Amino acid sequence: DTEVTQTPKHLVMGMTNKKSLKCEQHMGHRAMYWYKQKAKKPPELMFVYSYEKLSINESVPSRFSPECPNSSLLNLHLHALQPEDSALYLCASSSRDPANYGYTFGSGTRLTVV
Amino acid sequence: KNEVEQSPQNLTAQEGEFITINCSYSVGISALHWLQQHPGGGIVSLFMLSSGKKKHGRLIATINIQEKHSSLHITASHPRDSAVYICAVMEYGNKLVFGAGTILRVKS
Repeated sequence: DTEVTQTPKHLVMGMTNKKSLKCEQHMGHRAMYWYKQKAKKPPELMFVYSYEKLSINESVPSRFSPECPNSSLLNLHLHALQPEDSALYLCASSSRDPANYGYTFGSGTRLTVV
Repeated sequence: KNEVEQSPQNLTAQEGEFITINCSYSVGISALHWLQQHPGGGIVSLFMLSSGKKKHGRLIATINIQEKHSSLHITASHPRDSAVYICAVMEYGNKLVFGAGTILRVKS
């Protein structure tokens, strides 16, 4: 299995809702990432987990809360989002040596906040 | 100045044409990715390079580490190649820095 699977593919939520995005990989990768991508812009790094521990938080607002329950799963919990948070949320994973083995990206979750 | 510059920003080609997209970067890197993204879709990694040249089907990627420059070539372009092509460099410490992307449209 050489894929990163993200669910759901599309999500519409109100500003008072709580929802979660899920990301799963079974490649034995020990680093996992959340990116946010606005239309016609490159992805922006949000969080990095390395060996299930949060190693990078790029000053993301607390209404986004990441969780890494085990080495295969990465969640992004959403609460009290704003319409400007509408974007494509991409998950990626990499091996311990991404310079040799690269990154694998998921297909993304298209989030719309209404 | 962005750390990763791509050119052109937009490219329209006729089916069958040879296409080149360029990427220049200003930082030390451990590797460079070429990525493809179709409208509204996720990202697919096409190549990862740290030196030389790689080929996959009609796609060829080259990198010149001394000149800090990489190119992505598409031979015999096809409308299904229409997508955004993104150059991303992996800085030491494994952080990816993305270029702004090149929007490619191949007309039949």
